Order: sequence, then C-alpha cells, then structure tokens
Amino acid sequence: EADIYQTPRYLVIGTGKKITLECSQTMGHDKMYWYQQDPGMELHLIHYSYGVNSTEKGDLSSESTVSRIRTEHFPLTLESARPSHTSQYLCAIPRQGISIFNSPLHFGNGTRLTVT
Amino acid sequence: GQQVMQIPQYQHVQEGEDFTTYCNSSTTLSNIQWYKQRPGGHPVFLIQLVKSGEVKKQKRLTFQFGEAKKNSSLHITATQTTDVGTYFCAGGSSASKIIFGSGTRLSIRP
Repeated sequence: EADIYQTPRYLVIGTGKKITLECSQTMGHDKMYWYQQDPGMELHLIHYSYGVNSTEKGDLSSESTVSRIRTEHFPLTLESARPSHTSQYLCAIPRQGISIFNSPLHFGNGTRLTVT
Repeated sequence: GQQVMQIPQYQHVQEGEDFTTYCNSSTTLSNIQWYKQRPGGHPVFLIQLVKSGEVKKQKRLTFQFGEAKKNSSLHITATQTTDVGTYFCAGGSSASKIIFGSGTRLSIRP
C-alpha cells in the first residue's frame, strides 16, 4: 500500500494566523490531491497537482493555496485562517499498482483544523 | 458541472438486516469507485467498477455498475456492527477528476 503522511493530525488555531498543512508521499506519484470534508459530509476537491510545478484548483473554491516544488511534498497553506476554514483536510494519491485513468485514491489520515 | 448524487443520506438498520445505497451521476462515468469511512477516520477504497453492467462481490458486499454507466449500487447482506460508517461512491470523469457522492451514513442497532 502507498505511503502518504499528513501533519499535523489536529490543529487548533486562532483567527488570522497563517498555517501550512503538510502532505508527503514516498511513492514518487505525479498526481496528488487535496480534499476538504466537513464532519459527516461529502468530500470536495480543492486542489490537485499532476507533477512538479503543476497545480490546479478543484471544484470547490478555496482560499487556500498549494505548491508542488518537489514530487514528494504537496503542502496546503492558509494565509489568514478564519472560523469558516474549520474542516478536515484530506490529502490523496493514486493507489499503488493502479496506473489507469481516474485511478482510485489512497488517502492520508487527514488534518482536522479548528479555527477559533 | 458533473454531479454524483447518493441516496439515502442516512440508514439505520437492525443488525442482520440488509442495506443498500444508490449512486447516480448526471453524466456517463469512466468508472465508479466505492469507499468506506469509519467515524473519525479517512475514506478507504473498497472497489472499482469499470465495465457497463459489471457486478462484483466482496464477501457480504455486492457492487453493481449500471448499463449506461451513470448509476451504481452497493448492497450489504446481513449487516454487522463492523459495517458502521459512511459509504461514498466516486465517479471518474472524462476530465480526469474523481467526483465524490454525498455519502450514505450507516448505523446499526445491535
């Protein structure tokens, strides 16, 4: 199974703070994704990348930004956190061994962000 | 844009009863994927269907992909407490994106 790591697991932060959520993978996948999920709700694609220096916005508008300077890392940044950003942020990569169009995803454990 | 609808939103069953969740897309899908998310956890991939009319089984779980590749279902026979969680379908689109349904939350009375 592919290895994907997200840190921190939980984060409580005050309004106006800048935060970066880390996502890293060890499999060298070009494709990486960020999903946002409110508790018990559906997953919304907010950012994706098809390789180094390639980033695209997803279907749900987000005030967050991402970067892909190295294949292994796909960090997500909020310049000024607000209570409306409280949610779970899930990073994902294609599952190992399945290199087909629209490959199923392997998710990290997620970061549960609370902005007070 | 493309939408993937899932019903019901919630299902509460007695242990041992069957459970079914349905997934419908507004457009033809390249494939359909199913995930399970335990409370407090992250989605975990269960299975992928690619062919029109495809049926796959995993023990007590049966997955179907519609003939028109626009709908799918997941059926669990004789539910157990370990089946508790939210089940998501996700459709692969021509734009190389995976669009998730809204999920069906399954709870079980022991």
